[in-house]
Formats: sequence, structure tokens, C-alpha cells
Amino acid sequence: SYELTQSPSVSVSPGQTATITCSGDKLGDKYVWWYQQKPGQSPVLVISHSDKRPSGISQRFSGSSSGNTATLTISGTQAMDEADYYCQAWDGGTGLFGTGTQVTVL
Amino acid sequence: EVQLVESGGGPVHPGESLRLSCAASGFIFGDYWMHWVRQAPGKGLEWLSRINSDGTTINFVDSVKGRFSVSRDNARNTLYLQMFSLGVEDTAVYFCTRSVSFQGDFDIWGPGTKVTVSS
Repeated sequence: SYELTQSPSVSVSPGQTATITCSGDKLGDKYVWWYQQKPGQSPVLVISHSDKRPSGISQRFSGSSSGNTATLTISGTQAMDEADYYCQAWDGGTGLFGTGTQVTVL
Repeated sequence: EVQLVESGGGPVHPGESLRLSCAASGFIFGDYWMHWVRQAPGKGLEWLSRINSDGTTINFVDSVKGRFSVSRDNARNTLYLQMFSLGVEDTAVYFCTRSVSFQGDFDIWGPGTKVTVSS
């Protein structure tokens, strides 16, 4: 079965860039979505269709995808960006979430 | 206000059944695909199911196929998840979410309803 793998955690200093990766077989051939989830809250869409930023999402968030890897980049990371981030894609009729990455802003 | 609100969660014993509901408001419910996603305690998100706008296309993740069913009542703006033969592994917060297409953005999420399966 298809799997999406993310590194468990990323630490970043305020103002620096956080890079979160999501790996899957030929993932670059699929669209990828990215969701942010803060403790006790529902997920929030931050990147659509691999590289599109929804209305209302900070320009700090950007996405890209190629080969077997999709990447979510948070530029100028702020304390409010501390959260879990999940990639999401489709394998035929089945939705898949990545294993999740906890971003800590130190 | 565009809103989804889940209900129906609670404690159940292994082997029991439970039906969750997701009430939609603030948008034309019948225009959207609807999905169920769950999150076990301390774990990641798991997509469970989707149903198209008129209920004629339904997909499930393999782990719940045959035990869960999904339906919708567009007249009542409500999505349902019927769960049978629940096991401890089904303990989770269950979210409903929507997308405008079969592989679209999950742009609105409910707050979730908690299901606890324990003896």
C-alpha cells in the first residue's frame, strides 16, 4: 500500500527557515496538500495542490514537489507556526496522510 | 458562518456499534464531497472515507472497510458514519471535513467528536 513518510520533528529558531519533507513513491506525480494542526485544534489547510497557498494563509508558507518528495517551507518562522504538519495525497480512491512532523520553534 | 459540527461520540465497549453525525451549515451541503478523518490519541491523522455529493460514490480506507458505512442526508445537511464491531483501535477523535471535488482541499473541518472503545 502507498505510504507517505515524514521526519518526526524539526526544530527551528525564530526568523529562520523550517523545511518539512514528505516522501512517497513518485509523489511528484501527485498533488500534495499540507495541513497544520495545533494541540487540541482541528487541522488547517496551508498548502493546496502542492504549491498553492489558500486565501488567508501567510506568505511564509510555500510548497514544492518533485521526484519522490514534497516539501513544505516555512520562511521567517514565528512562534505561532509551532504545530504538527501533515502532508496528504491520494492513491486512487484512498486518501492518505503523512506520518506528521512536529515543528518546534526554539 | 460556514460550519461543520460532529456529534455522537462517547464511550462504548468492544464489539458495539456507534453512529456519528456531522451537521453542516452556512454552505450548500449538496455541492460538496464529504470526508471522515480520525486521530487516535497522540497519533497522526487517518483518512477514513469519502462520499460524493449525491451519495452514489463512496470510498473507504482498507482498515475500516466492511465495518464502517457512510451516508448523507442532503435535505438535513447531515453526514453520518455508522461504525460496527468497534475495537480499542478505533478509539480516536473523529473529524468530518469537506472538499469541492473528489480530490480537493479539505478547507473546513469540524471540531471533532471523541470515541472511546474500552472494556
